[in-house]
Amino acid sequence: SQQGEEDPQALSIQEGENATMNCSYKTSINNLQWYRQNSGRGLVHLILIRSNEREKHSGRLRVTLDTSKKSSSLLITASRAADTASYFCATDVTGGGNKLTFGTGTQLKVEL
Amino acid sequence: NAGVMQNPRHLVRRRGQEARLRCSPMKGHSHVYWYRQLPEEGLKFMVYLQKENIIDESGMPKERFSAEFPKEGPSILRIQQVVRGDSAAYFCASSPVTGPSGYTFGSGTRLTVV
Repeated sequence: SQQGEEDPQALSIQEGENATMNCSYKTSINNLQWYRQNSGRGLVHLILIRSNEREKHSGRLRVTLDTSKKSSSLLITASRAADTASYFCATDVTGGGNKLTFGTGTQLKVEL
Repeated sequence: NAGVMQNPRHLVRRRGQEARLRCSPMKGHSHVYWYRQLPEEGLKFMVYLQKENIIDESGMPKERFSAEFPKEGPSILRIQQVVRGDSAAYFCASSPVTGPSGYTFGSGTRLTVV
């Protein structure tokens, strides 16, 4: 598996339900970020969690980070059709210079 | 503040032609990063530049690809003699300081090689 691998690859839920996406990584990180990408569009930064943080909230988003398991989760509560997009985790690897390492993404579909 | 501007949004090139992708960072940002996204994949880092300097090009293919960020004007990603495998979305990000914590991404250029 590669640094920053999301699970599941695809997720389909009904509007109003919660969506949980997971990300696993391999090496030590400075921080982990979640991005959203609508089909054919650019990336939108959602949230950043530092390596010394365990949980962070932003609106309907909740992100957790477990550095002992090298994993993170993104929870979207009360999902809406507009949340339909691909979600990527990206890691700022310790000693990795100035680049982000992205996972392969989770495709979320929220149906009415 | 117009954000990170990339142009063109879509670019079609025949095999063997050159592709030039432009990126204007956000006002006040002096750090530019280029990433490539192949279909159904995540973004892969290509190169990090500051004005007139290439800082990290560890993700750039060894041949045909080059990047610059001149003192004046946008950053340019140049692909010579394009091949079908170069078809991808190319994203630029900028930040005010070094390090990927303050990235802002552009909308990307979608290159199609026919």
